[in-house]
Amino acid sequence: GNSVTQMEGPVTLSEEAFLTINCTYTATGYPSLFWYVQYPGEGLQLLLKATKADDKGSNKGFEATYRKETTSFHLEKGSVQVSDSAVYFCALSDRSSASKIIFGSGTRLSIRP
Amino acid sequence: DTAVSQTPKYLVTQMGNDKSIKCEQNLGHDTMYWYKQDSKKFLKIMFSYNNKELIINETVPNRFSPKSPDKAHLNLHINSLELGDSAVYFCASSQRGAALSNEQFFGPGTRLTVL
Repeated sequence: GNSVTQMEGPVTLSEEAFLTINCTYTATGYPSLFWYVQYPGEGLQLLLKATKADDKGSNKGFEATYRKETTSFHLEKGSVQVSDSAVYFCALSDRSSASKIIFGSGTRLSIRP
Repeated sequence: DTAVSQTPKYLVTQMGNDKSIKCEQNLGHDTMYWYKQDSKKFLKIMFSYNNKELIINETVPNRFSPKSPDKAHLNLHINSLELGDSAVYFCASSQRGAALSNEQFFGPGTRLTVL
Protein backbone atom coordinates (compact mmCIF):
# COMPACT_ATOMS: atom_id res chain seq x y z
CA GLY A 1 0.00 0.00 0.00
CA ASN A 2 0.90 3.65 -0.14
CA SER A 3 3.14 5.05 2.57
CA VAL A 4 5.29 8.04 3.48
CA THR A 5 8.49 7.92 5.50
CA GLN A 6 10.09 11.08 6.82
CA MET A 7 13.05 11.70 9.03
CA GLU A 8 12.42 11.53 12.71
CA GLY A 9 12.76 14.61 14.81
CA PRO A 10 13.21 16.64 16.66
CA VAL A 11 15.48 18.71 14.47
CA THR A 12 17.13 21.67 16.19
CA LEU A 13 18.98 24.31 14.19
CA SER A 14 20.34 27.78 14.72
CA GLU A 15 18.77 30.72 12.92
CA GLU A 16 20.02 31.14 9.33
CA ALA A 17 21.10 27.50 9.09
CA PHE A 18 20.30 25.36 6.05
CA LEU A 19 17.39 22.95 6.50
CA THR A 20 16.71 19.58 4.93
CA ILE A 21 13.92 17.28 6.04
CA ASN A 22 13.98 14.00 4.14
CA CYS A 23 10.84 12.36 2.82
CA THR A 24 10.45 9.22 0.71
CA TYR A 25 7.29 7.57 -0.46
CA THR A 26 5.88 4.29 -1.73
CA ALA A 27 2.92 4.49 -4.08
CA THR A 28 1.30 2.83 -7.03
CA GLY A 29 0.66 5.13 -9.95
CA TYR A 30 1.54 8.80 -9.90
CA PRO A 31 0.69 10.44 -6.60
CA SER A 32 0.64 14.13 -5.80
CA LEU A 33 3.06 15.10 -3.04
CA PHE A 34 2.68 17.70 -0.31
CA TRP A 35 4.37 19.31 2.63
CA TYR A 36 2.05 20.53 5.37
CA VAL A 37 3.14 22.62 8.36
CA GLN A 38 1.55 22.71 11.82
CA TYR A 39 2.44 25.69 14.00
CA PRO A 40 1.99 25.27 17.77
CA GLY A 41 -1.67 25.07 18.76
CA GLU A 42 -2.94 25.25 15.18
CA GLY A 43 -4.23 22.99 12.45
CA LEU A 44 -2.23 21.89 9.44
CA GLN A 45 -1.61 24.28 6.55
CA LEU A 46 -0.45 23.37 3.10
CA LEU A 47 3.11 24.63 2.65
CA LEU A 48 3.81 23.43 -0.89
CA LYS A 49 2.88 20.73 -3.36
CA ALA A 50 3.96 19.01 -6.57
CA THR A 51 1.70 17.01 -8.83
CA LYS A 52 4.09 15.32 -11.25
CA ALA A 53 7.67 14.16 -11.57
CA ASP A 54 10.35 16.90 -11.64
CA ASP A 55 7.87 19.53 -10.44
CA LYS A 56 9.29 21.85 -7.79
CA GLY A 57 6.96 23.21 -5.14
CA SER A 58 7.99 26.38 -3.34
CA ASN A 59 6.57 28.75 -0.75
CA LYS A 60 7.93 31.04 1.99
CA GLY A 61 11.51 30.16 1.02
CA PHE A 62 10.86 26.41 1.28
CA GLU A 63 11.34 24.14 -1.73
CA ALA A 64 10.83 20.48 -2.56
CA THR A 65 11.30 18.64 -5.85
CA TYR A 66 9.28 15.58 -6.87
CA ARG A 67 11.90 12.94 -7.71
CA LYS A 68 10.31 9.86 -9.21
CA GLU A 69 13.62 8.02 -9.69
CA THR A 70 14.40 8.17 -5.97
CA THR A 71 10.74 8.37 -4.80
CA SER A 72 11.64 11.38 -2.71
CA PHE A 73 10.28 14.83 -1.90
CA HIS A 74 12.82 16.37 0.47
CA LEU A 75 12.02 19.75 2.02
CA GLU A 76 14.76 22.41 1.98
CA LYS A 77 15.19 25.99 3.07
CA GLY A 78 18.37 27.99 2.69
CA SER A 79 18.13 30.11 5.84
CA VAL A 80 15.66 29.22 8.59
CA GLN A 81 14.06 31.65 11.02
CA VAL A 82 12.75 31.23 14.54
CA SER A 83 9.24 31.58 13.11
CA ASP A 84 9.77 28.37 11.10
CA SER A 85 9.62 26.32 14.32
CA ALA A 86 6.75 23.90 13.76
CA VAL A 87 5.94 20.30 12.89
CA TYR A 88 6.32 19.45 9.20
CA PHE A 89 4.37 16.63 7.53
CA CYS A 90 5.16 15.05 4.20
CA ALA A 91 2.10 13.57 2.51
CA LEU A 92 0.87 11.97 -0.68
CA SER A 93 -2.45 11.74 -2.42
CA ASP A 94 -3.24 8.89 -4.75
CA ARG A 95 -6.07 9.84 -7.05
CA SER A 96 -7.34 6.29 -7.10
CA SER A 97 -7.90 6.14 -3.33
CA ALA A 98 -11.04 8.20 -2.83
CA SER A 99 -9.36 11.51 -2.01
CA LYS A 100 -7.32 9.99 0.79
CA ILE A 101 -4.09 11.69 1.88
CA ILE A 102 -1.42 9.59 3.55
CA PHE A 103 0.66 11.56 6.03
CA GLY A 104 4.14 10.88 7.30
CA SER A 105 4.75 10.83 11.03
CA GLY A 106 5.80 14.48 11.19
CA THR A 107 9.14 16.13 11.98
CA ARG A 108 9.34 18.68 14.75
CA LEU A 109 11.66 21.57 13.89
CA SER A 110 12.99 23.97 16.52
CA ILE A 111 15.05 27.02 15.56
CA ARG A 112 17.31 28.68 18.14
CA PRO A 113 17.80 32.45 17.92
CA ASP B 1 -13.78 34.63 7.28
CA THR B 2 -12.82 31.29 8.85
CA ALA B 3 -12.60 28.63 6.16
CA VAL B 4 -12.92 25.49 8.30
CA SER B 5 -14.21 25.92 11.83
CA GLN B 6 -14.64 23.43 14.64
CA THR B 7 -16.43 23.60 17.96
CA PRO B 8 -15.55 23.23 20.70
CA LYS B 9 -11.82 23.99 20.72
CA TYR B 10 -11.36 22.15 24.02
CA LEU B 11 -13.47 19.35 25.46
CA VAL B 12 -12.84 17.76 28.86
CA THR B 13 -15.16 14.98 29.91
CA GLN B 14 -15.45 11.83 32.00
CA MET B 15 -15.08 8.27 30.77
CA GLY B 16 -18.35 6.79 29.61
CA ASN B 17 -19.89 10.07 28.49
CA ASP B 18 -21.16 10.82 24.98
CA LYS B 19 -19.93 13.95 23.20
CA SER B 20 -20.09 15.63 19.81
CA ILE B 21 -17.69 17.81 17.84
CA LYS B 22 -18.99 20.02 15.05
CA CYS B 23 -17.29 21.13 11.86
CA GLU B 24 -18.33 23.63 9.22
CA GLN B 25 -16.59 24.82 6.06
CA ASN B 26 -17.46 27.86 3.98
CA LEU B 27 -15.16 27.06 1.05
CA GLY B 28 -17.85 25.43 -1.06
CA HIS B 29 -15.98 22.13 -0.98
CA ASP B 30 -17.76 18.83 -1.55
CA THR B 31 -15.56 16.57 0.59
CA MET B 32 -14.92 16.66 4.34
CA TYR B 33 -12.74 14.59 6.65
CA TRP B 34 -12.08 13.75 10.28
CA TYR B 35 -8.56 13.03 11.46
CA LYS B 36 -7.22 11.99 14.86
CA GLN B 37 -3.82 13.26 16.01
CA ASP B 38 -2.24 11.48 18.94
CA SER B 39 0.21 12.85 21.48
CA LYS B 40 3.16 12.01 19.22
CA LYS B 41 1.61 14.09 16.42
CA PHE B 42 0.79 11.05 14.30
CA LEU B 43 -2.16 11.94 12.09
CA LYS B 44 -4.65 9.29 11.08
CA ILE B 45 -7.71 9.63 8.88
CA MET B 46 -10.96 8.38 10.39
CA PHE B 47 -13.76 9.27 7.97
CA SER B 48 -14.47 11.15 4.78
CA TYR B 49 -17.74 12.30 3.25
CA ASN B 50 -18.31 13.45 -0.32
CA ASN B 51 -21.60 15.27 -0.91
CA LYS B 52 -23.01 13.75 2.30
CA GLU B 53 -21.98 10.23 1.28
CA LEU B 54 -19.46 8.26 3.33
CA ILE B 55 -16.46 7.42 1.13
CA ILE B 56 -13.70 6.63 3.62
CA ASN B 57 -14.29 4.68 6.80
CA GLU B 58 -11.05 3.53 8.35
CA THR B 59 -10.83 1.00 11.15
CA VAL B 60 -12.45 3.07 13.84
CA PRO B 61 -14.52 1.76 16.79
CA ASN B 62 -18.23 1.98 16.08
CA ARG B 63 -18.54 4.27 19.11
CA PHE B 64 -17.51 6.95 16.61
CA SER B 65 -20.29 8.02 14.28
CA PRO B 66 -19.94 10.82 11.75
CA LYS B 67 -22.95 12.70 10.45
CA SER B 68 -23.10 15.03 7.47
CA PRO B 69 -26.39 16.97 7.34
CA ASP B 70 -25.19 18.85 4.25
CA LYS B 71 -21.95 19.17 2.36
CA ALA B 72 -20.80 22.14 4.44
CA HIS B 73 -21.05 20.29 7.77
CA LEU B 74 -19.52 17.13 9.17
CA ASN B 75 -20.08 16.32 12.83
CA LEU B 76 -18.48 13.60 14.91
CA HIS B 77 -20.35 11.91 17.72
CA ILE B 78 -18.51 9.70 20.18
CA ASN B 79 -20.33 7.31 22.52
CA SER B 80 -19.00 5.81 25.74
CA LEU B 81 -15.77 7.79 25.74
CA GLU B 82 -12.59 5.97 26.77
CA LEU B 83 -9.24 7.24 28.01
CA GLY B 84 -7.63 6.28 24.69
CA ASP B 85 -9.93 8.67 22.84
CA SER B 86 -7.96 11.60 24.25
CA ALA B 87 -6.38 13.31 21.25
CA VAL B 88 -6.72 16.31 18.98
CA TYR B 89 -9.39 15.84 16.32
CA PHE B 90 -9.06 17.77 13.08
CA CYS B 91 -11.69 18.41 10.49
CA ALA B 92 -10.63 19.14 6.90
CA SER B 93 -12.24 19.80 3.55
CA SER B 94 -11.31 19.63 -0.12
CA GLN B 95 -12.83 19.84 -3.55
CA ARG B 96 -12.65 16.34 -4.95
CA GLY B 97 -11.56 16.16 -8.55
CA ALA B 98 -11.33 19.93 -9.02
CA ALA B 99 -7.57 19.84 -9.24
CA LEU B 100 -4.95 17.20 -9.62
CA SER B 101 -3.65 17.77 -6.15
CA ASN B 102 -6.65 17.35 -3.83
CA GLU B 103 -5.38 19.98 -1.38
CA GLN B 104 -7.05 19.71 2.00
CA PHE B 105 -7.84 22.66 4.29
CA PHE B 106 -7.75 21.97 8.00
CA GLY B 107 -9.68 23.34 10.94
CA PRO B 108 -7.94 24.48 14.14
CA GLY B 109 -8.57 21.21 15.95
CA THR B 110 -10.55 20.08 19.01
CA ARG B 111 -8.49 18.86 21.95
CA LEU B 112 -10.45 16.10 23.67
CA THR B 113 -9.37 15.02 27.14
CA VAL B 114 -11.08 12.04 28.73
CA LEU B 115 -10.62 11.74 32.49
